[in-house]
Amino acid sequence: TQLLEQSPQFLSIQEGENLTVYCNSSSVFSSLQWYRQEPGEGPVLLVTVVTGGEVKKLKRLTFQFGDARKDSSLHITAAQPGDTGLYLCAGARDGNKLVFGAGTILRVKS
Amino acid sequence: DSGVTQTPKHLITATGQRVTLRCSPRSGDLSVYWYQQSLDQGLQFLIQYYNGEERAKGNILERFSAQQFPDLHSELNLSSLELGDSALYFCASSVYGGLETQYFGPGTRLLVL
Repeated sequence: TQLLEQSPQFLSIQEGENLTVYCNSSSVFSSLQWYRQEPGEGPVLLVTVVTGGEVKKLKRLTFQFGDARKDSSLHITAAQPGDTGLYLCAGARDGNKLVFGAGTILRVKS
Repeated sequence: DSGVTQTPKHLITATGQRVTLRCSPRSGDLSVYWYQQSLDQGLQFLIQYYNGEERAKGNILERFSAQQFPDLHSELNLSSLELGDSALYFCASSVYGGLETQYFGPGTRLLVL
């Protein structure tokens, strides 16, 4: 059983569409991170959210941390083929140990 | 390029064997982390070192061990390999080993036959 549940597991959309990926848990995390991983490479950190209710924007990407610090979402506006990849959320526990979700595979078709 | 290097990139071996994976952190980073990524378990934290000392332990099997050397490079030793150990093994590094950004290497793909 995953401590962090990500949904959906797979998403295939057309260029220009919007999408939201969810990361949910019954546990509280001191912080939550979102990563993107491309085939043959390691994950790359996109954002860290620390405060409950926090919203961070990174160009077309909007990240939100739930008020209770148990869940998070990633919203992409006007998706582009370059957004294709595996999106992972990770929660920090026991200091700096990261617990990862299973990931959401995003495919954006042109 | 994250600045973290891992060797080898690919490794094919047989059950029961032992292998060593190597990681060089980014220049200036004192902390090294090891992760295992497989289709059924996802990305899992194995172990963390900071300036040569073990700092945190995750889901690391007893057949696995790691160390960080004085020059800060790290090695992950996997012994008595089983088919289920086939996975991608990532090394990451960060400056102080706290909640700051971890930079991941390109990984070592291990296949146990």
